[in-house]
Amino acid sequence: DAMVIQNPRYQVTQFGKPVTLSCSQTLNHNVMYWYQQKSSQAPKLLFHYYDKDFNNEADTPDNFQSRRPNTSFCFLDIRSPGLGDAAMYLCATSSSGTVYEQYFGPGTRLTVT
Amino acid sequence: AQKITQTQPGMFVQEKEAVTLDCTYDTSDPSYGLFWYKQPSSGEMIFLIYQGSYDQQNATEGRYSLNFQKARKSANLVISASQLGDSAMYFCAMSPDGTNNAGNMLTFGGGTRLMVKP
Repeated sequence: DAMVIQNPRYQVTQFGKPVTLSCSQTLNHNVMYWYQQKSSQAPKLLFHYYDKDFNNEADTPDNFQSRRPNTSFCFLDIRSPGLGDAAMYLCATSSSGTVYEQYFGPGTRLTVT
Repeated sequence: AQKITQTQPGMFVQEKEAVTLDCTYDTSDPSYGLFWYKQPSSGEMIFLIYQGSYDQQNATEGRYSLNFQKARKSANLVISASQLGDSAMYFCAMSPDGTNNAGNMLTFGGGTRLMVKP
């Protein structure tokens, strides 16, 4: 009964080679988030979708883009990965109108060679 | 802007004993939510407990309780009867009141690594 699914769990890409990480959810939540978590650090919000509305954090690099083709799926595109983009990428969902928790996926660990 | 501070990078606790993980926060929002998440080595963030800023009573969820002291801006997590499986990173987080329908953006603290000794 997986609720937030991230594929792949581990991704290796080459410096400068575009990569896409995917997230899907079975909760029918209208809000989806992408976080970047570097080693031994706290998760940092990159952007979120409120329904179809895209909200970018002010300090998220232009190198990071996102797509949400429907309620269930959300993608994180890194156009030209650098060594500094190696991190765990966490997808999360929540339902608007509540103050309760975000549900996180297991994350995708990205390695850049 | 919201800020969360966790001053304990790492802590040890003996199995079956209670442990308190500290969290202080700063915000200018009139209402807000406070959360604790557990992150095992597998990476997934697991929700533990939630406290609303206007809640009169401290939140409890099984072995977890949140010691909320609004005047001191602290939201410490208390884990009773520690188990070996409690060994993990623990993050305190806060968000603006989610009922404004703008999403529920979380700001995380730096985390505390808890290690439970047998």
